[in-house]
Amino acid sequence: QSALTQPRSVSGSPGQSVTISCTGTSSDVGGYNYVSWYRHHPGKAPKLMIYDVSKRPSGVPDRFSGSKSGNTASLTISGLQAEDEADYYCCSYAGSYPLGVFGTGTKVTVL
Amino acid sequence: EVQLVESGGGLVQPGGSLRLSCATSGFTFSAYWMSWVRQAPGKGLEWVANIKEDGSVKFYVDSVKGRFTISRDSAENSLYLQMNSLRAEDTALYYCARVGGMSTNDYWGQGTLVTVSS
Repeated sequence: QSALTQPRSVSGSPGQSVTISCTGTSSDVGGYNYVSWYRHHPGKAPKLMIYDVSKRPSGVPDRFSGSKSGNTASLTISGLQAEDEADYYCCSYAGSYPLGVFGTGTKVTVL
Repeated sequence: EVQLVESGGGLVQPGGSLRLSCATSGFTFSAYWMSWVRQAPGKGLEWVANIKEDGSVKFYVDSVKGRFTISRDSAENSLYLQMNSLRAEDTALYYCARVGGMSTNDYWGQGTLVTVSS
């Protein structure tokens, strides 16, 4: 099972919005509404930010939103803050493959 | 508060073995699938293994099949990963995580580092 494709990096100024894409196939991202997104500060535990494409866990600010179109899912961070500077990973259910498939990861830089 | 704390990592020679542990608290351990995810140096996340609530079903990524064994102990609220025949490419930070939905890990530990080197 191949990793999902994410841009290596995106950047924005405080207060701006950034969008991270996550491209897969019809066998994973496009076939199911089970895409999740994680924020990962190096050396710390990854944190679930979005699940089931667009749902936010309790405690995650509404600055974070998720969507999907065809084989590409997206995470948008609005009102960018310094604490948002981290690595972000998408992950998708892939049907017959029994484990989750992660994306290649995107480094978000707050300028 | 949900907590997951990994332990057992360290330096091991190629071909050696290591057993990782994950102590959990703050939730009903026996009601959730659990997983191990790893991150090699400079690389992304890779889902390594899953285990069902009662331990009856287990899945592995192809690269560790036959070498790694995931297990759990509900009496101890603990998850384990027995790693045998370790290779340099197994060097990574290993995370324990609770599976909260379809291919979704909702809580993670901080990880334990495994280094395979002579």
